[in-house]
Amino acid sequence: GEQVEQLPSILRVQEGSSASINCTYENSASNYFPWYKQEPGENPKLIIDIRSNMERKQTQGLIVLLDKKAKRFSLHITDTQPGDSAMYFCAAMPNYNVLYFGSGTKLTVEP
Amino acid sequence: NAGVIQTPRHKVTGKGQEATLWCEPISGHSAVFWYRQTIVQGLEFLTYFRNQAPIDDSGMPKERFSAQMPNQSHSTLKIQSTQPQDSAVYLCASSLDQGLGTSAETLYFGSGTRLTVL
Repeated sequence: GEQVEQLPSILRVQEGSSASINCTYENSASNYFPWYKQEPGENPKLIIDIRSNMERKQTQGLIVLLDKKAKRFSLHITDTQPGDSAMYFCAAMPNYNVLYFGSGTKLTVEP
Repeated sequence: NAGVIQTPRHKVTGKGQEATLWCEPISGHSAVFWYRQTIVQGLEFLTYFRNQAPIDDSGMPKERFSAQMPNQSHSTLKIQSTQPQDSAVYLCASSLDQGLGTSAETLYFGSGTRLTVL
């Protein structure tokens, strides 16, 4: 299996600032790290992912970083907007396509 | 494409009763997963089927919980003798599951079944 720790559990930022969420994992076999966003009343949806052959990936205001040595990966949301308010889950996949999720971060972007 | 369909959306049971949750994966997806979501634990992996065969049930509580996938169009999660601590949102997800190096690992979640055990 896999154990994924995610911090912080609650994050409040001002609109236009950046937000960062950090995750660590234990299983060195993990090689795929997605991030899912869950808006209130909705189901989780994939927003960005990174594989172990990369250290950085960026798309549409989202940046993910992966440090395999430290078994740590992070999500950075630049220029946050109220629409970014949601629960965010990191995950790691060690084998046969089972994703193990962190406990989630509730992000609130305040106007 | 209707997405992953879960029924019922809400289920209330009394302590000790049985609860059966249903999931219809996206057509063509060969992998089906069950997760349990609570505020404290977040998204907990329960069990996983590939081409209807059980692959990994390491997240399932050994007693009272069972899952089946009798055909490619539906899976069930059954909880016997429900307890208040079983109260949670149970999420089903499916994926193409074509192996690493593709986008096939993307999970498509259903809307979940909110189980409340009184």
